[in-house]
Amino acid sequence: SNSVKQTGQITVSEGASVTMNCTYTSTGYPTLFWYVEYPSKPLQLLQRETMENSKNFGGGNIKDKNSPIVKYSVQVSDSAVYYCLLGPPSYGYCEKSGGSNYKLTFGKGTLLTVNP
Amino acid sequence: DSGVTQTPKHLITATGQRVTLRCSPRSGDLSVYWYQQSLDQGLQFLIQYYNGEERAKGNILERFSAQQFPDLHSELNLSSLELGDSALYFCASSVRDGIEAFFGQGTRLTVV
Repeated sequence: SNSVKQTGQITVSEGASVTMNCTYTSTGYPTLFWYVEYPSKPLQLLQRETMENSKNFGGGNIKDKNSPIVKYSVQVSDSAVYYCLLGPPSYGYCEKSGGSNYKLTFGKGTLLTVNP
Repeated sequence: DSGVTQTPKHLITATGQRVTLRCSPRSGDLSVYWYQQSLDQGLQFLIQYYNGEERAKGNILERFSAQQFPDLHSELNLSSLELGDSALYFCASSVRDGIEAFFGQGTRLTVV
């Protein structure tokens, strides 16, 4: 079955660069989404990583079962909860992944606190 | 504004009762997803509908059901409510699988 693991909390100072990890277990080649949750706002999409665009993202990639998100020069306003979501494979990898019947799975979220 | 509308925003009800949560997806989106966010379980996928048909099922209890109507809005029905059902229920919509989904602001359900 699918599972997603994220670092629980990260605290940094303004101006720092932050890498938030998302490691997962699944079969095939899923799509990895990153969403951010600001207080009282709907979840917003930050990043969508597929096998086709995986090389554009820093750090690990889908083949490594690791899809981090990197934020550079963070500001206090970046303080939020960041969620990683495991989703169905992109169209080109659907058959190689044994079909698109993926159970959408969220990680528990990383609480990022940026101090001034 | 994500374009996904959920009503009501807040709901307080008693144990044993039944409630219906409503979601209007973004214009043109055929997929609707329901999620439950609770303190202990985090964000959990409940169920997905695509163009009126159930497409994927997650950790949805038998006491819960959903449907998507011809106009593509969706309802999540929660019955025989228990204290542990208190949570934030999100709806999201997308054009199709595997691409970004847009989330509504959620319905906060409190069961007392």
